[in-house]
Amino acid sequence: QSALTQPASVSGSPGQSITISCTGTSSDVGAYNYVSWYQHHAGKAPKLLIYEVSNRPSEISHRFSGSKSGDTASLTIYGLQAEDEADYFCISYTRLNTLVFGGGTRLTVL
Amino acid sequence: EVQLVESGGAVVRPGGSLRLSCVGSGVNFEIYGMSWVRQRPGKGLEWVSGINWNGGSTGYADSVKGRFSISRDNARNSLYLQMNSLRAEDTALYYCARDRSGSYSGGMDVWGQGTTVTVSS
Repeated sequence: QSALTQPASVSGSPGQSITISCTGTSSDVGAYNYVSWYQHHAGKAPKLLIYEVSNRPSEISHRFSGSKSGDTASLTIYGLQAEDEADYFCISYTRLNTLVFGGGTRLTVL
Repeated sequence: EVQLVESGGAVVRPGGSLRLSCVGSGVNFEIYGMSWVRQRPGKGLEWVSGINWNGGSTGYADSVKGRFSISRDNARNSLYLQMNSLRAEDTALYYCARDRSGSYSGGMDVWGQGTTVTVSS
């Protein structure tokens, strides 16, 4: 079970948009619409941002958007804010009835 | 407020066993899938095991398969992780997390604060 591939880091200025990719295989990301995205601040519990590729919990800002194409899922954050600086990771369900995590991406707001 | 509280973390010798518990409050615990997730020191998060709402379906990461066992007691709003044949590489902060669905498809919307397991001689 190899981890999903995410860029180690991304950065952007306040107000800009950034996209984080999450690449898997036809056995996980490409197999189902069960990809979720999380924000993780050190020392805190992860926060669900997106579930089932593109659905957003009611309490999550519309600035966060998810999509998928083939074996790659993406998280886009619009209108970057200072408080968005955090680690972001993806999770996918797999054909083996397991979950696989992405390695995580550190977002820096310049 | 929905809350998950883990317990049972400890220092244990290699080869030893430990049982982690996770108690849910303020939620209909019995209708949700649950997972255990861990974070090793200096590493990213890693899925360990998951269980559906009634315990009829479970899954394990390859790294723990055959050594760890997940279970739940819905009458007690509790989730468990029995950890046997522990190794140094199992040292981690272990979280329990609730799934939005009755399965463990990965939409984890409630997380505990974690319990620490240290495997060392």
